[in-house]
Amino acid sequence: QQPVQSPQAVILREGEDAVINCSSSKALYSVHWYRQKHGEAPVFLMILLKGGEQKGHEKISASFNEKKQQSSLYLTASQLSYSGTYFCGTESPNTGNQFYFGTGTSLTVIP
Amino acid sequence: DARVTQTPRHKVTEMGQEVTMRCQPILGHNTVFWYRQTMMQGLELLAYFRNRAPLDDSGMPKDRFSAEMPDATLATLKIQPSEPRDSAVYFCASALGVSGSPLHFGNGTRLTVT
Repeated sequence: QQPVQSPQAVILREGEDAVINCSSSKALYSVHWYRQKHGEAPVFLMILLKGGEQKGHEKISASFNEKKQQSSLYLTASQLSYSGTYFCGTESPNTGNQFYFGTGTSLTVIP
Repeated sequence: DARVTQTPRHKVTEMGQEVTMRCQPILGHNTVFWYRQTMMQGLELLAYFRNRAPLDDSGMPKDRFSAEMPDATLATLKIQPSEPRDSAVYFCASALGVSGSPLHFGNGTRLTVT
């Protein structure tokens, strides 16, 4: 039931772009994205609720394809502060808010 | 700033001992999750509650783990007896319980069982 993320790890130079993918085997009601810094708790980034919806916050945006049960997170012009592990979280219909996190993607931004 | 509070932050114990972790969800949040995080398994869902009722604890080893919400302001996760393989960071998260509500995490309890 755990969504699968790709890639598992990525290293970027400051200013480069990255895409993180999240794929589920179950029908999805919503997809969340969280970032976790080393030694800290995961922190909420954004939620996507509708098929094809795209959301953005500054230089981080995401899309959700409900039919394909996939979501992607886009990081543009990466900054050092973007380093961390990114998790997608998925909520399926009729499961009473049961919430599973993906396998995680480690992102390292270097100067 | 409302936050989820977990205690203790760190716990070191010997194999066979009982461990109890506590979580105070954000006031007004009626859904509480327990996750275990290890390097190998990522964030595993152990149990979750809505309005204090357990909705799913299928991710939890039943023979040694138990989770309860004695009241709306307290969730507990207990391990008895503890084993070295239980060493992990245990996170509690709370949410409004409406589909699409973000999860708010506590700072976690880092458990080491020797």
